[in-house]
Amino acid sequence: RKEVEQDPGPFNVPEGATVAFNCTYSNSASQSFFWYRQDCRKEPKLLMSVYSSGNEDGRFTAQLNRASQYISLLIRDSKLSDSATYLCVVKAYNQGGKLIFGQGTELSVKP
Amino acid sequence: EADIYQTPRYLVIGTGKKITLECSQTMGHDKMYWYQQDPGMELHLIHYSYGVNSTEKGDLSSESTVSRIRTEHFPLTLESARPSHTSQYLCASSEIGETGGYRNTIYFGEGSWLTVV
Repeated sequence: RKEVEQDPGPFNVPEGATVAFNCTYSNSASQSFFWYRQDCRKEPKLLMSVYSSGNEDGRFTAQLNRASQYISLLIRDSKLSDSATYLCVVKAYNQGGKLIFGQGTELSVKP
Repeated sequence: EADIYQTPRYLVIGTGKKITLECSQTMGHDKMYWYQQDPGMELHLIHYSYGVNSTEKGDLSSESTVSRIRTEHFPLTLESARPSHTSQYLCASSEIGETGGYRNTIYFGEGSWLTVV
């Protein structure tokens, strides 16, 4: 079983749709959580950190459920420019603070 | 924008050649990484460093080697390139500290695309 698992993609949605990505992690010692975005043939870039109480940044909302070891990312009113691969990233301090990347979920927003 | 730079961005090279992929960061970060990623596939950590004179192998076995003589510089070398080495190589850095929490965001360079023919 992978340490960080994401929904298999791709997600193909129309503009304006709401889309949710799910991610589960296996290491209960995980302490920090992030969502990264990676455009085709580009480097990953931080989209947002995920805080215990949940957090929102414009159209993007991240949630964390420590009991279920589950992280989510919700994108509302999706835009064409949201098309990318979304990576779930977990840091576990019992592994020297190593960042563990999920395999990514591809999103394609169509007009 | 992150201040981490990789050269070359694109390289096509013949089998058996020695290559070095350069990576430099100006953020003063102690921790640096090399990831390998094939198109459409997940990232694999191949090397990392906690600071000067520190190098560790990552999760994915790699025939490449790294060195960390200066904080800002973390080059990756392939002594004898093979077609199986064709991939994208991403360098990254972060502040050191296992308890740094959300300060320890990782920043990536733009990547080096290597094709071995």
